[in-house]
Amino acid sequence: GAVVSQHPSRVICKSGTSVKIECRSLDFQATTMFWYRQFPKQSLMLMATSNEGSKATYEQGVEKDKFLINHASLTLSTLTVTSAHPEDSSFYICSAYRDRKQTYNEKLFFGSGTQLSVL
Amino acid sequence: SQQGEEDPQALSIQEGENATMNCSYKTSINNLQWYRQNSGRGLVHLILIRSNEREKHSGRLRVTLDTSKKSSSLLITASRAADTASYFCAPSRSYNTDKLIFGTGTRLQVFP
Repeated sequence: GAVVSQHPSRVICKSGTSVKIECRSLDFQATTMFWYRQFPKQSLMLMATSNEGSKATYEQGVEKDKFLINHASLTLSTLTVTSAHPEDSSFYICSAYRDRKQTYNEKLFFGSGTQLSVL
Repeated sequence: SQQGEEDPQALSIQEGENATMNCSYKTSINNLQWYRQNSGRGLVHLILIRSNEREKHSGRLRVTLDTSKKSSSLLITASRAADTASYFCAPSRSYNTDKLIFGTGTRLQVFP
């Protein structure tokens, strides 16, 4: 089956530092990936759509300069939380559609998430 | 893209009982998907039902879709403690790279 690997699974950092989260599609290509964040016992909030080779599309209210997204290859998208502050502490999850030539993309494959704690 | 709304917000049952959760949405769809999230993990796709389908089964899962009422239901039969998780529906308007918007989900607790 399609596997999305997300790394690291947990990170603790000091306020003001930057944190990079990687999302890799291990056995398929993904032109499009999505980044979500989730607060405890709440739903996933879509942050941005990451497109290989082009700029990410951010949802309303999400700061582009705060959350830098790079999708440099068909198997890797990264989310960098710049100058992290305690309010950025959250669970970040990436997901991807598997590119298919003959059939449509239908379901999303999710990474296992990254718990970010900013002290 | 559009958001589905799950109901109830929380559900507690005993092992062996059936669990039913519902999803409502507002506009026309191409398909509707159900996902499960275990605590502290990513989401896992469970089942997809297309707009021209009314019912679909997968193991202990049964999904129904009523496009006239813009609603769907997910039934888990003979529940197990391992089914404890949050369940989300995701209506989708296209097969292409449609971004999925998730509601607050149904938190299912199955007691042994």
